[in-house]
Amino acid sequence: QQQVKQSPQSLIVQKGGISIINCAYENTAFDYFPWYQQFPGKGPALLIAIRPDVSEKKEGRFTISFNKSAKQFSLHIMDSQPGDSATYFCAASMIRKDSWGKLQFGAGTQVVVTP
Amino acid sequence: GAVVSQHPSWVICKSGTSVKIECRSLDFQATTMFWYRQFPKQSLMLMATSNEGSKATYEQGVEKDKFLINHASLTLSTLTVTSAHPEDSSFYICSARGAGGGYTFGSGTRLTVV
Repeated sequence: QQQVKQSPQSLIVQKGGISIINCAYENTAFDYFPWYQQFPGKGPALLIAIRPDVSEKKEGRFTISFNKSAKQFSLHIMDSQPGDSATYFCAASMIRKDSWGKLQFGAGTQVVVTP
Repeated sequence: GAVVSQHPSWVICKSGTSVKIECRSLDFQATTMFWYRQFPKQSLMLMATSNEGSKATYEQGVEKDKFLINHASLTLSTLTVTSAHPEDSSFYICSARGAGGGYTFGSGTRLTVV
């Protein structure tokens, strides 16, 4: 049973457009929500992460919106560029003092940015 | 930033042989290592978690005798696929976690068993 549900499975966006990927979770004990970018044949790379004490975090063109009551979080990629074409994974884990739990990954979203 | 080096990046082996994949944390001490398997166009599937100096904890359905994990030092973990078969062909990825937290992933290993 997948603990983190991610949608859409794929999306196509024009250059300069906004890509939006959504994730939902059930386990309220999760308190660390990262997003990863993966290119073909490479390992995932951390894009941005958020803790549940904030509702939004922005780093450059990437923004995470977090809704604790709805148990949902999303990634917004502003001004999408062809170089952003990749697979994006949301994830969640529990962080306890001096101990980080294993990551639960979403199914992934393949983003294609057209010129 | 934290860097994890994974080798080899790809390997082809004959059915029945064993293959070892190395994962090294270059600039931090990895108290915990995670090993994942990823099939094409699918998500990462956690295979096992290992803490330095102790036995790995395997996820349900993962054969511990087939996928041997060693985490003998704070900077090195290895995954050995024993008696590999074509169905073991996959993309294997390690991830390391240091005392400061966060997860750093290796670049992955493409294993093809022929």
